[in-house]
Amino acid sequence: EAGVTQFPSHSVIEKGQTVTLRCDPISGHDNLYWYRRVMGKEIKFLLHFVKESKQDESGMPNNRFLAERTGGTYSTLKVQPAELEDSGVYFCASSPLGSTMNTEAFFGQGTRLTVV
Amino acid sequence: QKEVEQDPGPLSVPEGAIVSLNCTYSNSAFQYFMWYRQYSRKGPELLMYTYSSGNKEDGRFTAQVDKSSKYISLFIRDSQPSDSATYLCAMRFVQKLVFGQGTRLTINP
Repeated sequence: EAGVTQFPSHSVIEKGQTVTLRCDPISGHDNLYWYRRVMGKEIKFLLHFVKESKQDESGMPNNRFLAERTGGTYSTLKVQPAELEDSGVYFCASSPLGSTMNTEAFFGQGTRLTVV
Repeated sequence: QKEVEQDPGPLSVPEGAIVSLNCTYSNSAFQYFMWYRQYSRKGPELLMYTYSSGNKEDGRFTAQVDKSSKYISLFIRDSQPSDSATYLCAMRFVQKLVFGQGTRLTINP
């Protein structure tokens, strides 16, 4: 069974450019989460989808970040325009609906974003 | 003050040693307490979770929660070089996880 897949694995962009990160959750997982780890800090929650609906986006840093999950399958996280402080590793996680999340969430390998 | 405090290390021990990893937290609303292991360039992988105060054992790993002190621990017995990784404590708040900074552990053969 395929795990959570994230694309690209690494992206280097210039300040002011746009970047789109993609996450393919495990098939059948309705819960999808985005997390981020910036250099030297802990992994922090960004937002939570249930199917195509945003349940909690309290962790989104500002309106330069836009997450979508059209059709309730894969999700994208767009950063526009990117700033230097957006550099970090972006993780996606998924779990089945009705799970306690903490016991059944699976993380992707992350996308390392470098803004120069 | 961070909600979850974890010493980032690094921590280096010889093979076979008992390893103790710890986190403290400030939010009494945290419901579940987890330990994740993360290898380099990989995503976090759930090792263990507990709900109430007490101990939970799984093979060489023991998770301990003391809610009265807001303190959780992970013990690794008979540590192996393959246990070398970053260990992250995490706590559930509503539907999201709050992570500690992670402790980088190296087991030396």
